[in-house]
Amino acid sequence: EVQLVESGGGLIQPGGSLRLSCAASGFTVSSNYMSWVRQAPGKGLEWVSVIYSGGSTYYADSVKGRFTISRDNSKNTLYLQMNSLRAEDTAVYYCDDGAGNWGQGTLVTVSS
Amino acid sequence: SYVLTQPPSVSVAPGQTARITCGGNNIGSKSVHWYQQKPGQAPVLVVYDDSDRPSGIPERFSGSNSGNTATLTISRVEAGDEADYYCQVWDSSSDHPRVFGGGTKLTVL
Repeated sequence: EVQLVESGGGLIQPGGSLRLSCAASGFTVSSNYMSWVRQAPGKGLEWVSVIYSGGSTYYADSVKGRFTISRDNSKNTLYLQMNSLRAEDTAVYYCDDGAGNWGQGTLVTVSS
Repeated sequence: SYVLTQPPSVSVAPGQTARITCGGNNIGSKSVHWYQQKPGQAPVLVVYDDSDRPSGIPERFSGSNSGNTATLTISRVEAGDEADYYCQVWDSSSDHPRVFGGGTKLTVL
């Protein structure tokens, strides 16, 4: 059974950093294209970043230069390093495997 | 980057058919995926590649895609279908390859 479990969210001050993790089981993260998608309170889904099986990475304009997607094949885990956080980054962050499997999400709140 | 346009809301009576549209430039040339999201829950894939259903999704959910419009059709709507629905495509030629529509709130009257 495929399972994705996000962690690492929390309350952080503007300008701070957080690293989100997405632990996968039931498949290999390096074999799929893995994405981060976020949802601000009361808003729709917003794609954040993707890493392809070959290692190519892409980012939404809103996070480019501040966020970095990566994976650790030995831990079968996807990451999202978030720097220079802003209030508008406040959202539930989901990871998904491109095959219809999503995690439960982790809440990031950027506030002083 | 590519833009997908959905109506903010659709209302339908129980037992009737709901149709949720997703507009995009020549969207018929892309594969469209549809997600259902209920409050406080993660999105669930209900249709992929325009018209295929994942296992466990009722046959009442179907999809079509042609020209500039993709459509999610929910037949014999039930109260439990009330949710937000999002269309999504991959634009592999773009630096912003994954695009979501703005979402449609389906209300069951």
